[in-house]
Amino acid sequence: GNSVTQMEGPVTLSEEAFLTINCTYTATGYPSLFWYVQYPGEGLQLLLKATKADDKGSNKGFEATYRKETTSFHLEKGSVQVSDSAVYFCALYNQGGKLIFGQGTELSVKP
Amino acid sequence: DAGVIQSPRHEVTEMGQEVTLRCKPISGHNSLFWYRQTMMRGLELLIYFNNNVPIDDSGMPEDRFSAKMPNASFSTLKIQPSEPRDSAVYFCASSLAIGGRLSYEQYFGPGTRLTVT
Repeated sequence: GNSVTQMEGPVTLSEEAFLTINCTYTATGYPSLFWYVQYPGEGLQLLLKATKADDKGSNKGFEATYRKETTSFHLEKGSVQVSDSAVYFCALYNQGGKLIFGQGTELSVKP
Repeated sequence: DAGVIQSPRHEVTEMGQEVTLRCKPISGHNSLFWYRQTMMRGLELLIYFNNNVPIDDSGMPEDRFSAKMPNASFSTLKIQPSEPRDSAVYFCASSLAIGGRLSYEQYFGPGTRLTVT
């Protein structure tokens, strides 16, 4: 079946540190991949996407590359800010039309 | 646009009581999703509607849960009777399906935090 596995949190970083949140997936066919972000007290919102192998999604300084050979979609940012503190969800979109979410990784950035 | 609106934002109730959660999707969206979020199980899809019709309710935990969408601008999720293990944050999301294909870009409401004592 389809599934998404993320690294466990919480991840605690100092401001301006480099961020990586690992995400791997299992899927039939060729899914589209996404990162959603949930800020405290809010619902999830789409951060970035990649719809085919080798695509790089980017937004707000975050990037993720769709790696079919390693079935991965790791989220990276070169210099995090306090305002990036949130929970990050990796997700895939399967042929059935449902979004399959990972467990979420909490990021806490300290000044 | 006001975004997806959910009410109430917080609900505290006693075990055995009926709970009704409400959602107003973004105007013009034709797909609506109900999710439940807990620490133990993460984010789970309970049910989704397309053009007001329930398409997949396989995520609804048991018969105590029911969802309706009487029109394009309103949906309810009801739990009767409620139990402590139903305590969670319940999210509603909406999206625009084109050509019968669901969109991956879902817009989430702020959620309802339910506590059953």
